[in-house]
Amino acid sequence: DAKTTQPPSMDCAEGRAANLPCNHSTISGNEYVYWYRQIHSQGPQYIIHGLKNNETNEMASLIITEDRKSSTLILPHATLRDTAVYYCIVSREYGNKLVFGAGTILRVKS
Amino acid sequence: NAGVMQNPRHLVRRRGQEARLRCSPMKGHSHVYWYRQLPEEGLKFMVYLQKENIIDESGMPKERFSAEFPKEGPSILRIQQVVRGDSAAYFCASSPQAGTYEQYFGPGTRLTVT
Repeated sequence: DAKTTQPPSMDCAEGRAANLPCNHSTISGNEYVYWYRQIHSQGPQYIIHGLKNNETNEMASLIITEDRKSSTLILPHATLRDTAVYYCIVSREYGNKLVFGAGTILRVKS
Repeated sequence: NAGVMQNPRHLVRRRGQEARLRCSPMKGHSHVYWYRQLPEEGLKFMVYLQKENIIDESGMPKERFSAEFPKEGPSILRIQQVVRGDSAAYFCASSPQAGTYEQYFGPGTRLTVT
């Protein structure tokens, strides 16, 4: 699985958009980009995933560059409850294990 | 639809005892994954199972650890002769048979070895 690089931490003001970047320059054609988050010590929570097109769901939007070497997770209106560690993971499709890196600690501040 | 359930949520064992961690996947899910999170470290994959089969155990320590997912009942992660270094949070995740790409995680079992 391709390796990902994320900034160790970011701050965001409550109510503003949080944009979390991820580099995955060695991604291969059949690998998806997944985003998960872990709030405090809870179990990780799936957020969104994509292959090449931009994706949006009720939680977030995922923007993948045309060359697929990087992506950005966007939380449109961050709240205090979005404070968590966010993990960008590149993996083949269904059935494969998830390889978690260090992630980005997002702190949402009032 | 209840989420992934894990029990116990907290488990304390003395060195040398056995620990049994249980995971009930979401209804209709036949794929189970176990991950471990050591204190102040990231999540590490341990094992991937389907009903009655171990598919990938590349992350399992070679000794003392075993996992099963029987035809009936929960998946079990078993740690024999626990040592202090086994103290960690153990998370289970499940995914359905086909057609989805995300894993749903349980709340975890915190194992403390004294």
